[in-house]
Amino acid sequence: DTEVTQTPKHLVMGMTNKKSLKCEQHMGHRAMYWYKQKAKKPPELMFVYSYEKLSINESVPSRFSPECPNSSLLNLHLHALQPEDSALYLCASSQDTIRAGAEAFFGQGTRLTVV
Amino acid sequence: QKEVEQNSGPLSVPEGAIASLNCTYSDRGSQSFFWYRQYSGKSPELIMSIYSNGDKEDGRFTAQLNKASQYVSLLIRDSQPSDSATYLCAVNPPSNTGKLIFGQGTTLQVKP
Repeated sequence: DTEVTQTPKHLVMGMTNKKSLKCEQHMGHRAMYWYKQKAKKPPELMFVYSYEKLSINESVPSRFSPECPNSSLLNLHLHALQPEDSALYLCASSQDTIRAGAEAFFGQGTRLTVV
Repeated sequence: QKEVEQNSGPLSVPEGAIASLNCTYSDRGSQSFFWYRQYSGKSPELIMSIYSNGDKEDGRFTAQLNKASQYVSLLIRDSQPSDSATYLCAVNPPSNTGKLIFGQGTTLQVKP
């Protein structure tokens, strides 16, 4: 089973709203990731959590706030987003951080539209 | 020079043919290489990983790695219309911890 579950699948939010994206995996993976993907572009890394600690922040604006409550869950809190933040947000997990060669599996993504 | 380069395509092949997708990378010390398939509007799906020089086969898919040439490829035998998708090459270079570097992706069209 290589399932990573993301909710919601679609989200429309106003620029003054606060919302959260959720990601869950039950594979015992200890590394979890948030990626952002714009149309016709490859995924871009935003954050990496390794053993529930934030290990990489790719200079992401503070309006995006990640949280890892436990080893199975990863959240992305959104506040005061801009229309240009509209994208597909992808969660991924791997057995360990990718530097160890572990394969990363992606969730189905959340299609976010900021209006 | 981009860290991971792919021809964006589209690469068009007839049904039943072999599709050959290519990827080059710039960091010679890279050790882990992955191919993802992404259908339009969907998320990337891991189809192959390769770590050692040579070929690795899984069903109709063969990944090939040549570290000396900094080149990784994906062959799809007996291509089917359902293989039509964007194929993303991803590399884990040693200089980047916990990060995948993706190429721009190659769009494959398999025509019936």
